[in-house]
Parts: sequence; C-alpha cells; structure tokens
Amino acid sequence: TQLLEQSPQFLSIQEGENLTVYCNSSSVFSSLQWYRQEPGEGPVLLVTVVTGGEVKKLKRLTFQFGDARKDSSLHITAAQPGDTGLYLCAGPSEEGSNYKLTFGKGTLLTVNP
Amino acid sequence: DADVTQTPRNRITKTGKRIMLECSQTKGHDRMYWYRQDPGLGLRLIYYSFDVKDINKGEISDGYSVSRQAQAKFSLSLESAIPNQTALYFCATSDLPGGTETQYFGPGTRLLVL
Repeated sequence: TQLLEQSPQFLSIQEGENLTVYCNSSSVFSSLQWYRQEPGEGPVLLVTVVTGGEVKKLKRLTFQFGDARKDSSLHITAAQPGDTGLYLCAGPSEEGSNYKLTFGKGTLLTVNP
Repeated sequence: DADVTQTPRNRITKTGKRIMLECSQTKGHDRMYWYRQDPGLGLRLIYYSFDVKDINKGEISDGYSVSRQAQAKFSLSLESAIPNQTALYFCATSDLPGGTETQYFGPGTRLLVL
C-alpha cells in the first residue's frame, strides 16, 4: 500500500500570513490531488498534478508536484479565514485491476481574523 | 440540488443495533465508495463498487456490508453497531476523465454509537 504523509498535522495562523503544507511519500505516484474539506462538508477537489515538477496556481494557492513525483506542496499566499479547512492529498493506487485513491491524513488549517 | 446525497445526516444508535446509511448520486458515475473519517486517521476506505455487479472490500470492511441497488444507489450497513464505529461516514463517486480519477463526496453522515 502506498502511503502519503502530510505535514504539519495542524496549523493555526493569522490572516494575511503565508503558509506551506506538504505531502510526502516513499513511492512514486502517477498523479497527486489536493482536496479541501470545510467543516460539516465532504472533501472537494482543488487540483490534480500529473507531471513531475509541475506547478499549478489557483488564485492564492500554488501547488507543486515534486520532480520525482513522490511529493507535493501547497502554498497559500495571504491566507484568509475562508481558507480554513482540512487539506487532504490523495494519489492513485492499484491492487490488481482495481484502481482507487489513497488519502493522506490531512493538514487542519485555521486562519484567524 | 446536490449531486451526491447521504441520508441520514446524523444518527445516534445503540450498541448491537443494525443501521443503514444510504447514498444516492445524480452524476451518472459507475464508481461509488464508502469511507469513514476519524480524527487523526484521515479517510479510510470501507467498500467500493465499480458497477452494479461489482463489490470490493476496502482496508476496513470488517463489521460493515454494502449493497449496490442501482447505478445511483450504494448503501452501507452496520449489522451490529459497536461504539468504535462512531465516526463520520462519507460516500463518494468517481469518474476517470483522461485517466485521472476525481472523487465527488457527499456531505457525510455523523454516526454516534452508544
């Protein structure tokens, strides 16, 4: 089973600060995804990265896929209270012909006004 | 209307009771999943189904069973609930656009087993 380790587990910052959270594995992934889960809701896909070294931007969020496709990072610039939530990374895993996603345990981000 | 719905949203039950959590989707996806989420443990896969005739165990299937009644419906049952099954349960569906799976989650069912 391919494992995804996320760090930090918890992060509490003030509005306007920058932050980076990480998703690491000892295994190579063909792609990695980032989901955000807000309180009382299910996770929602933010982005998928598929090429080693790829950088994708979504407004104030910047996602990077490591060159070796074993890790990814999410950087948020000038965090806002609306960014509060659980950030999950996920990657595909295969068992025989079955294809499914493996999720990390997440980083719980709190942005204080 | 939400694409993936779950009922009930909250449930309190007693040890030993049988309960069913239901999931419906209007996305037309063949693949459906049940996860449980516990603090510090992330999302763990219970069962998944790639079509109506296909059921597969996930990493924590013991104590659970599922039924895929139709493409749009996937139910999770706890035959005899126990307190350590207290958790947040999510149903999800997926497609494979361009070979990269995206999962669409329901709003979750919060289950408390006393």
